[in-house]
Amino acid sequence: EAGVVQSPRYKIIEKKQPVAFWCNPISGHNTLYWYRQNLGQGPELLIRYENEEAVDDSQLPKDRFSAERLKGVDSTLKIQPAELGDSAVYLCASSPSTGRTAGELFFGEGSRLTVL
Amino acid sequence: AQSVTQLGSHVSVSEGALVLLRCNYSSSVPPYLFWYVQYPNQGLQLLLKYTSAATLVKGINGFEAEFKKSETSFHLTKPSAHMSDAAEYFCAVSRNYQLIWGAGTKLIIKP
Repeated sequence: EAGVVQSPRYKIIEKKQPVAFWCNPISGHNTLYWYRQNLGQGPELLIRYENEEAVDDSQLPKDRFSAERLKGVDSTLKIQPAELGDSAVYLCASSPSTGRTAGELFFGEGSRLTVL
Repeated sequence: AQSVTQLGSHVSVSEGALVLLRCNYSSSVPPYLFWYVQYPNQGLQLLLKYTSAATLVKGINGFEAEFKKSETSFHLTKPSAHMSDAAEYFCAVSRNYQLIWGAGTKLIIKP
């Protein structure tokens, strides 16, 4: 069974440029998460999807970040325009269901963004 | 509010020695607790989880953790460290369909 696939693995851009990250979750997983992880810190949730619906986007900086999950399968996270402080690893994760066992997440390898 | 505290951003042990990574949580209800491991340049992988069954939980790669309600702790241990255990370890508690993460502990293995 294929795991969570993310691309690109690495991206270097100049500030004010746009960038997009793509995630394909494990087949059959209804819940999809985007996290941001800064160096030396734990992941912070940006957005959670249940199928195609964004059910928690309270931590997503909506002035520059957007996300979509068309058809409830793969997802794209976009930043426009990027700022220096956006340099981080963007992690996508999926899980088969929510509820109190929502901690069983399956992560992709992440997309490391460097903004110059 | 729930939170997770991991004591020590870096822990260094010799190969073959006991590994002990500390995690304390605060929770108003019985928690679900997790340990994840992150190898360099990789995503996170579930090591083990506590979901109110047995208080001693066994995970992958020889790790285990014990839930102690009286101490609000969920420390991670392994009897004998291996070089391949070098990674960052994250403790997390489940709240409202999402995870609250600790800041992580980087485990360094000395040969």
